Amino acid sequence: SAVISQKPSRDICQRGTSLTIQCQVDSQVTMMFWYRQQPGQSLTLIATANQGSEATYESGFVIDKFPISRPNLTFSTLTVSNMSPEDSSIYLCSVDRGLGRGYTFGSGTRLTVV
Amino acid sequence: GENVEQHPSTLSVQEGDSAVIKCTYSDSASNYFPWYKQELGKRPQLIIDIRSNVGEKKDQRIAVTLNKTAKHFSLHITETQPEDSAVYFCAATGSGDKLTFGTGTRLAVRP
Repeated sequence: SAVISQKPSRDICQRGTSLTIQCQVDSQVTMMFWYRQQPGQSLTLIATANQGSEATYESGFVIDKFPISRPNLTFSTLTVSNMSPEDSSIYLCSVDRGLGRGYTFGSGTRLTVV
Repeated sequence: GENVEQHPSTLSVQEGDSAVIKCTYSDSASNYFPWYKQELGKRPQLIIDIRSNVGEKKDQRIAVTLNKTAKHFSLHITETQPEDSAVYFCAATGSGDKLTFGTGTRLAVRP
């Protein structure tokens, strides 16, 4: 069924600190995707997280800034490190539900950096 | 990598009229084309999708058409209702089953 629980739903953080976002899926999935959605904008893929290997980052995103963990087939975390106000966005995880049912998203984390 | 363009960026229609949103993609290997609806403050929700072996797909008031030769696909909403007002995103899968999204269309349905 691939229902995703994402937390926290929102947070206000001080610049220079880090925030870890968690996604838990109710079934095993091979790949988990992390997106950023800046205010009023589209979704931009940050990285693809595979269990047992390092995440694959898209152009413009680096591991030092957005470290990702994928300890098993149902869970992943994204950390936003050394935050600045420009990191204020909604962060979403996504998985393929399989069986041709398409990709679904977590409820998102609205991050505000002050 | 894949590049998806979406038009128009905003669309206003009278209730009951039809709405059409168009997208083009660049990677001829892309084979999956979903459409998402995102209401304010909510996650994107899949409303319809089409795969490259099909030219058209319908689900009640919404339909999607795909032209692989021209590398474009479109969303059609008929008999629009105020609750159709939202931002709509098209997307396409390139390499690695990654979705690349269009820039979005803000649809407003006037009662």
